[in-house]
Amino acid sequence: EAQVTQNPRYLITVTGKKLTVTCSQNMNHEYMSWYRQDPGLGLRQIYYSMNVEVTDKGDVPEGYKVSRKEKRNFPLILESPSPNQTSLYFCASSLLGQPPVTGELFFGEGSRLTVL
Amino acid sequence: AQSVTQPDIHITVSEGASLELRCNYSYGATPYLFWYVQSPGQGLQLLLKYFSGDTLVQGIKGFEAEFKRSQSSFNLRKPSVHWSDAAEYFCAVGGSGGSYIPTFGRGTSLIVHP
Repeated sequence: EAQVTQNPRYLITVTGKKLTVTCSQNMNHEYMSWYRQDPGLGLRQIYYSMNVEVTDKGDVPEGYKVSRKEKRNFPLILESPSPNQTSLYFCASSLLGQPPVTGELFFGEGSRLTVL
Repeated sequence: AQSVTQPDIHITVSEGASLELRCNYSYGATPYLFWYVQSPGQGLQLLLKYFSGDTLVQGIKGFEAEFKRSQSSFNLRKPSVHWSDAAEYFCAVGGSGGSYIPTFGRGTSLIVHP
């Protein structure tokens, strides 16, 4: 089954304790992205990756890191989490450059993070 | 730069009533347009998409959307809403080039009254 898998789905942590949210897709997609969703603000892009070893900042990258060492994986790293990073996080992936599929995003089920 | 506006933060309808969710976009060339739905506790799922051709597109769950270039709009419609349609709906616009990066609207929350 084609899917994007995120882990953990729920996490409560404390300020400053490094954490990683994993994301894996089994569709051989080039494009992967992380979003955060906050009430009233919709989806905001954190980082994205066009392919292996190619990453770039989105709209709200501060406090986050990513890596893309393999095509299927795109982990989100919070080196020193703070309470303002409490949010619902989504990973998404897509094929690129192959209309009409171009641009359709496949989303994971989300990871709800609480930083105390 | 591309952008999407969903003017309605919340929409309340009665079950069985018709629905229209508004979406206006800004993009300099031919846009790719999408509607996604997010049910409570779930990720986003594609409802429908427009790339070219017929401006009225059909999607899953009985939804349709109409692309109106002159109005820069891509409104989502359903003739009869079911209680299970209560969800958050996101409109998104992307480019027609190979390095597509979609831009999302802020979403519209649909509340369905019995």
